[in-house]
Order: sequence, then C-alpha cells, then structure tokens
Amino acid sequence: EADIYQTPRYLVIGTGKKITLECSQTMGHDKMYWYQQDPGMELHLIHYSYGVNSTEKGDLSSESTVSRIRTEHFPLTLESARPSHTSQYLCASSDFKGQGNNEQFFGPGTRLTVL
Amino acid sequence: RKEVEQDPGPFNVPEGATVAFNCTYSNSASQSFFWYRQDCRKEPKLLMSVYSSGNEDGRFTAQLNRASQYISLLIRDSKLSDSATYLCVVNMKAAGNKLTFGGGTRVLVKP
Repeated sequence: EADIYQTPRYLVIGTGKKITLECSQTMGHDKMYWYQQDPGMELHLIHYSYGVNSTEKGDLSSESTVSRIRTEHFPLTLESARPSHTSQYLCASSDFKGQGNNEQFFGPGTRLTVL
Repeated sequence: RKEVEQDPGPFNVPEGATVAFNCTYSNSASQSFFWYRQDCRKEPKLLMSVYSSGNEDGRFTAQLNRASQYISLLIRDSKLSDSATYLCVVNMKAAGNKLTFGGGTRVLVKP
C-alpha cells in the first residue's frame, strides 16, 4: 500500500470560503502532483512539484495554488471556493528519476462540493 | 483531439470470458505507457507497464504498437473482481515525464 494521505476525504463548503486540501507522503518522494477528476471523466493535472520550493502549473488551468515547503507535504489552496470547483482532487507522488518505472502513487482523494 | 483516447465502454463481460480493448495516443514522441486500474470512487493504481515487446502479468496481457500508436489490454478468464475502469496512461520525457491519462474504459464482469 502506498503511504500517501489526503485530508479531508469529503468536504462540503459554501461559496467564497477559503479551503486547503492536505496531502502528505512518507515515502520520501521528490515529485508530487495534484489532479482534478470529475465523475466518469479523465484525470487532469493541475499542479506538480519536483522538489522543495518547486511548483509548476499543470495542463489544466486552475484557480488553486500549491506550496512545497517540505518534501512530504504538498497542500492545495482555494482562496475563494465556487461551485465550479466541485470535483474530486487526487494527490500523487513519484520517485521517478528519468529511467525505469514512472509509477505514480495516489492518495485516496478529496471529494469537494461547493454549494 | 485528445492526446490519449479510449472507448469509454462499458464492456459487459461474462465471468470467465476474455475481453480486450485499445487506447490510441496522438503524440509519436510518447515514450512509456501504462495501464492503471481505478475502482469506483477510488484512486487509480498501477496495473502494469507496457513494454515494446508486449508483456504479460498473470491473466493480463499488454501490447504496444508504435507504428499505429496504440496500446491494448487483454484480460483472460475474467473475474468479478476485474470490474473497474482501466486507464491508459502515457508518459513523454519531453514533457517533463508528466503522465497523460485517458478517460478510461469501464469493464463490468457479470456472473
């Protein structure tokens, strides 16, 4: 089993609230990712990090922001939640170093509903 | 056009039967390929990597056809527990080794 954790698992919140989705991994992986997935749809990469103090925007534009102050922690923040942010957010990590198996390990996800 | 395309299904499969499905990718520079499995309302998990020569893992066989830019997954002797969504995943070194996920093929194995 992968040692990657996300909290909260479920969140229902009102429009305009600031929220932070937590993601932590204990595998010492340098690379971490945030994906957004709507029901029955594909995963879209919204943010990634290749190490401490490194953050990049993904392929899908997102109003969220991320930070990577510690290797094991990669939180995602929405300053002002809107109903369009309702989705599942999946965090993943990898120790891929350019060769070999590029497996990403996923956390259980956070299901966000913005009313 | 999506970078990675899959038939969404569902593929309704009798228990014990064989099912196979493909995935096409648009970027010929894609370098490595994977099948992930995602159960309903769960996170994706790596099922198997796909190698150029084709590879087998128990009842699962993956093939890669670079000329036609598709990969395939075949499941033999289907079990009820094989019911899931199978995600085709492509990695491009030139894109920073980020993974691109297909929309998934849903497989339902029925008694």
